[in-house]
Amino acid sequence: GESVGLHLPTLSVQEGDNSIINCAYSNSASDYFIWYKQESGKGPQFIIDIRSNMDKRQGQRVTVLLNKTVKHLSLQIAATQPGDSAVYFCAENDDYKLSFGAGTTVTVRA
Amino acid sequence: GAGVSQSPSNKVTEKGKDVELRCDPISGHTALYWYRQSLGQGLEFLIYFQGNSAPDKSGLPSDRFSAERTGGSVSTLTIQRTQQEDSAVYLCASSKYSNQPQHFGDGTRLSIL
Repeated sequence: GESVGLHLPTLSVQEGDNSIINCAYSNSASDYFIWYKQESGKGPQFIIDIRSNMDKRQGQRVTVLLNKTVKHLSLQIAATQPGDSAVYFCAENDDYKLSFGAGTTVTVRA
Repeated sequence: GAGVSQSPSNKVTEKGKDVELRCDPISGHTALYWYRQSLGQGLEFLIYFQGNSAPDKSGLPSDRFSAERTGGSVSTLTIQRTQQEDSAVYLCASSKYSNQPQHFGDGTRLSIL
């Protein structure tokens, strides 16, 4: 995925507030999307995924929204905690190859 | 410890040397992937293995790079005659099937002097 317009490379959020991370993807034929969290020195960690037959999917404290019309994904994190500080990537699954967005660095303020 | 395991976690070597990176996927996962993450960059697909099928090597940047997967489990990525531009974090992932979430190891941080 690539970032167009709505993507912010960094996001600073107050602890306890909700976070919204945006991502635009490039391939209108993509039918599977994944959000990953990457902490310093670690590999990407799976957060949540969504397939193109859905508009919304919820997990524990996270919600992913998919707007296929404008090729846009968002990740919402409820009640952001210090442990949520990391780089967040959206990825679109092109067959089996993942194409990653540029990433958003989330910093949680105490 | 059911996650993807990669070794070594760090590797420093001189330009021109060969290096071998290892990946132990999650047990039962049929698909295995290698990606590269350069400083400040996103992840770049390198190679994909699925069962006994021929691997997709379309992402390998040069013929100095090769990979194999033995017995449908452990994989090794080999870089011959390393160059400074090969310095990056090499990440391995596995998934139960190709249309399932890919789970990553913590990578091998490769530094070429």
